Amino acid sequence: AQKITQTQPGMFVQEKEAVTLDCTYDTSDQSYGLFWYKQPSSGEMIFLIYQGSYDEQNATEGRYSLNFQKARKSANLVISASQLGDSAMYFCAMRIYGGSQGNLIFGKGTKLSVKP
Amino acid sequence: EAQVTQNPRYLITVTGKKLTVTCSQNMNHEYMSWYRQDPGLGLRQIYYSMNVEVTDKGDVPEGYKVSRKEKRNFPLILESPSPNQTSLYFCASSLRGRLNTEAFFGQGTRLTVV
Repeated sequence: AQKITQTQPGMFVQEKEAVTLDCTYDTSDQSYGLFWYKQPSSGEMIFLIYQGSYDEQNATEGRYSLNFQKARKSANLVISASQLGDSAMYFCAMRIYGGSQGNLIFGKGTKLSVKP
Repeated sequence: EAQVTQNPRYLITVTGKKLTVTCSQNMNHEYMSWYRQDPGLGLRQIYYSMNVEVTDKGDVPEGYKVSRKEKRNFPLILESPSPNQTSLYFCASSLRGRLNTEAFFGQGTRLTVV
């Protein structure tokens, strides 16, 4: 069965420092995609970054990068130079190719608090 | 503007009173789904639809119904709501058959059943 594990329920980081949010996944499929979403206190879900299982390079989007370690089945989100506006819930998610061809499986999330 | 629209945003209702949460997308996406979000549990899928008239159960379908009569709409129906269905609900849509396509989410519906 596919599963996403986020082991950090809550984290604090000092403004302007980098922070890593952990995500491990479990699947026997070879083709899959990994996503990170941000949920600010206003509640909406904001797509941040995507990594495909066959992508050789780690994905980057501005201050966000995904540290993809396929052998360890981990897909950690790195936020560089944290800002106060980064305070939010962060969800890691996985999509498997085939089957329902669309289902996103989510982790339980990590609440990030950025301190000034 | 590409978007998924959910209504209502907030709803307080009483146990047993049927309600419908609407969801509409303007991106011609085949795939639509409903999630509920509860503290400490993340997002769990309730139902999904791969196309018109094709729906299937997710992980937590009990107490919910859906229909997909048109491609753009995917309403969530609670025939007899109970307090354990108090939650934050999200509708999402995406292109079908593409691994790297992001899911677009509605703004969420915060439901309280008393």
